Amino acid sequence: EVVLTQSPGTLSLSPGERATLSCRASQSLSSDYIAWYQQKPGQAPRLLIFAASSRATGIPDRFRGSGSGTEFTLTISRLEPEDFAVYYCQRFGSSFQYSFGQGTKLEIK
Amino acid sequence: QVQLVQSGAEVKKPGASVRLSCKTSGYTFTTYYIHWVRQAPGQGLQWLGIINPSGGSTNYAQNFQGRVTMTSDTSTSTVYMELSSLRSDDTAVFYCARGGYCSSTSCHPANAFDIWGQGTLVTVSS
Repeated sequence: EVVLTQSPGTLSLSPGERATLSCRASQSLSSDYIAWYQQKPGQAPRLLIFAASSRATGIPDRFRGSGSGTEFTLTISRLEPEDFAVYYCQRFGSSFQYSFGQGTKLEIK
Repeated sequence: QVQLVQSGAEVKKPGASVRLSCKTSGYTFTTYYIHWVRQAPGQGLQWLGIINPSGGSTNYAQNFQGRVTMTSDTSTSTVYMELSSLRSDDTAVFYCARGGYCSSTSCHPANAFDIWGQGTLVTVSS
């Protein structure tokens, strides 16, 4: 089973700063099968990025996904107050295997 | 617009079963797969399984096989998830989410989850 490990567990930054969130897979994955979600307290997750680097509908361009193989990154170029939330990476595959990383909490410094 | 609306909160005793619903609207029900995801208090996201509403084929996470059953009702565009033999550590918010699709010629279950329901809190307590 492929395990996704996200780092850091918590990231403390100020509005306007750049955030870099990491997602490492225990084995190489196709970029087509990597997604990122944002979750705010009391809300359902929201799809941000699919296929490792494609933004979902309505997602601002300050969110950028990148990576390949076992290393994937979500970068938020200039943090807005509404960006402080928990972020999850996800992998899925043709064999009905779906799993999430443990999440990174992005908090206001 | 595309929506997934879930049933209300449930309180169950250990050993009981719970059946949750996820009513879809705004798209062709039989075209997209539906997933169920669990989130325990303060914890991350855990995938439970997937159903293809067209035909009702399912695939469950190994940790839940034998305890989870997913069904679909095309007449009401609703998907159901039943979890049996509830334990206190099943206390969680359960989400349904749309992900994967079928065209006229093939199906593609491996896709991101683009639309989520609002979640249903299930509390298991004696």
